[in-house]
Amino acid sequence: AQSVTQLGSHVSVSEGALVLLRCNYSSSVPPYLFWYVQYPNQGLQLLLKYTTGATLVKGINGFEAEFKKSETSFHLTKPSAHMSDAAEYFCAVREYPNNNDMRFGAGTRLTVKP
Amino acid sequence: NAGVMQNPRHLVRRRGQEARLRCSPMKGHSHVYWYRQLPEEGLKFMVYLQKENIIDESGMPKERFSAEFPKEGPSILRIQQVVRGDSAAYFCASSAPGGNYGYTFGSGTRLTVV
Repeated sequence: AQSVTQLGSHVSVSEGALVLLRCNYSSSVPPYLFWYVQYPNQGLQLLLKYTTGATLVKGINGFEAEFKKSETSFHLTKPSAHMSDAAEYFCAVREYPNNNDMRFGAGTRLTVKP
Repeated sequence: NAGVMQNPRHLVRRRGQEARLRCSPMKGHSHVYWYRQLPEEGLKFMVYLQKENIIDESGMPKERFSAEFPKEGPSILRIQQVVRGDSAAYFCASSAPGGNYGYTFGSGTRLTVV
């Protein structure tokens, strides 16, 4: 079954600094990959997704991620952190059509320092 | 255009009582997924349902937990004889058929067992 590993349960950056959240996956078939953001006491909001085509995908709020098959990675980046980016971020993989469920990583809590 | 609606937002139950969590999928979505989020952990898949059918319940505990998605009405996650360890946030997500869509999540139900 597919799985996701997020390196670093907590990441802290200064406002204006580069944000890099790491995600590696395992999948027996070409995966569909997703990043979600969760603000306190809220549900998950889709940031971006990779299904097919261009390996660099852009999402909301200035985030982007690059699918690297050779590295089985889907790291999330943002050039300049904003205070409002502080949240929990989840990487997820889906092996449609082999599996109908989406598997999530354990999450990375991003803190942005002024 | 309402998104995924979950209710109640917060639910307190005494040990041994039953908890019923409701989820109305987004309009046009026929697939429903339930996830559980324990403190400091990621989301764990529980069950995937379509109307009147349980497609994948590989993540459901073998006892006390059940789920349904009737022809009419919301999907229900039912926990019988709750224990303290059931305290968690339970999220429902929905999607349209097809694998290249992300899920739309509800805001969750936070269950506290006292």
